[in-house]
Amino acid sequence: AQKITQTQPGMFVQEKEAVTLDCTYDTSDPSYGLFWYKQPSSGEMIFLIYQGSYDQQNATEGRYSLNFQKARKSANLVISASQLGDSAMYFCAMNSGGSNYKLTFGKGTLLTVNP
Amino acid sequence: DSGVTQTPKHLITATGQRVTLRCSPRSGDLSVYWYQQSLDQGLQFLIQYYNGEERAKGNILERFSAQQFPDLHSELNLSSLELGDSALYFCASMGARTASHYGYTFGSGTRLTVV
Repeated sequence: AQKITQTQPGMFVQEKEAVTLDCTYDTSDPSYGLFWYKQPSSGEMIFLIYQGSYDQQNATEGRYSLNFQKARKSANLVISASQLGDSAMYFCAMNSGGSNYKLTFGKGTLLTVNP
Repeated sequence: DSGVTQTPKHLITATGQRVTLRCSPRSGDLSVYWYQQSLDQGLQFLIQYYNGEERAKGNILERFSAQQFPDLHSELNLSSLELGDSALYFCASMGARTASHYGYTFGSGTRLTVV
C-alpha cells in the first residue's frame, strides 16, 4: 500500500520569502511518480510539479522546485519568492503502475502568505 | 478549462435521497478516477474506470456506485445519502502524459451538501 505523510497542517511565510512544504512517502513499487497540487479556496486542483522515481535531477517549474531525496523517501516542495496568491492548500500525491496509477494524497498543508 | 467537465457544480439534497454526479473526461482519455474530499477524511480514492470497465476500487461505500459509458463519460451514483456524505467529489481523467499535467486532468468538482 502507498502512503503519503504531510506533517505540517499549516505554514506561514512572509511575502517574497521561500518556504518548504514537507512530504514523505512510502511504497513498495520501484517505479512511481510524485506530484504536488495546489488547491485554492475556490476548490479546483491545480497541478504544480512532477518527479519520477527514476529522474536523476530534481524537478523545477518556475518558482516551484521539488527536493527529491529517494533514500529518505521525501519529496519536499520549495516555493521561492512567495506571493500572496500562493496562499492555498497544498497536497503531495503519488502514483504507481502497481496501484493502477491512482493518486494517493497526503492530508495537505495550508500555506498562508503574509504581506 | 481543464478539459474535464463535471456537473453539477453544486448540489444540495436531503438525507435518504439519491444523486448522480457526471464527469466527461478530457478528449482522448480512457481512464476516469473518482475522489471524495471531506474535512475529516481528506482526499480519498473511490473508484477507477478504464474504457468502460472497472479497474480499481478504493474506499467506496456500498451505497455508492459508478459506471463509464461507451462515450467514456462517467457517472457516480450516491444513494441513501447521509450527512457525512457531504463533500467535494472530484473526477480526474488520465491519458497521455504531457508536461502540463503529467497525465492527470482534474475537473472542478461537485460540491455535495446533504441536509
